[in-house]
Amino acid sequence: EIVMTQSPATLSVSPGERATLSCRASQSISTKLAWYQRKPGQAPRLLIYGASSRATGIPARFSGSGSGTEFTLTISSLQSEDFAVYYCQQCDDWPWTFGQGTNVEVK
Amino acid sequence: EVQLVESGGGLVQPGGSLRLSCAASGFTFSSYTMHWVRQAPGKGLECVSAIGANEVSTYYTNSVRGRFTISRDNSRNTLDLQMGSLRPEDTAVYFCARKSLLANFLDSWGRGTLVTVSS
Repeated sequence: EIVMTQSPATLSVSPGERATLSCRASQSISTKLAWYQRKPGQAPRLLIYGASSRATGIPARFSGSGSGTEFTLTISSLQSEDFAVYYCQQCDDWPWTFGQGTNVEVK
Repeated sequence: EVQLVESGGGLVQPGGSLRLSCAASGFTFSSYTMHWVRQAPGKGLECVSAIGANEVSTYYTNSVRGRFTISRDNSRNTLDLQMGSLRPEDTAVYFCARKSLLANFLDSWGRGTLVTVSS
């Protein structure tokens, strides 16, 4: 099973600032990586697929990069609605596995 | 608009059974691979099971294989998860999710249904 490791566990950021979230795979997954946003009581929301492609309706302030084992999600200027937990997921090998999440909180 | 609505969650004793359902609408259900994903309290997300569009191909994570059975009814646009021999560690919110036709990722999710396994 591919292990996904996210860092940091918690990121404290002020509105308007940039947030950089990291995700590492235990083996190469090419670009078969997705990022999701999770808010309490809501369905998870797809942000990024294929490591760097934004999903439909996702604002341009969200961007993804990386390949192989190292990936990054960047939120260029945090808005109030962006404070949430973010998960990366490898979709290369079953079972598809998630990182443990990064909680982006208000500083 | 794509909608996925889960139902069937509740409180069940260890060793018991429960059947979850997901009602799909707003898309051609029979064309998509569907997944169940869960999130235990205070934990991360975990892919539990998946079923191909053809109803034949099924996938399970090791911890539920032999205890859970995924199925679908393409005529009724429903996805089910029959859960048996339930354990306290199966306590979680269970989400129904759709795999994209483009590539391997989950592009639409339901809001989830809570399963609590406790005596």
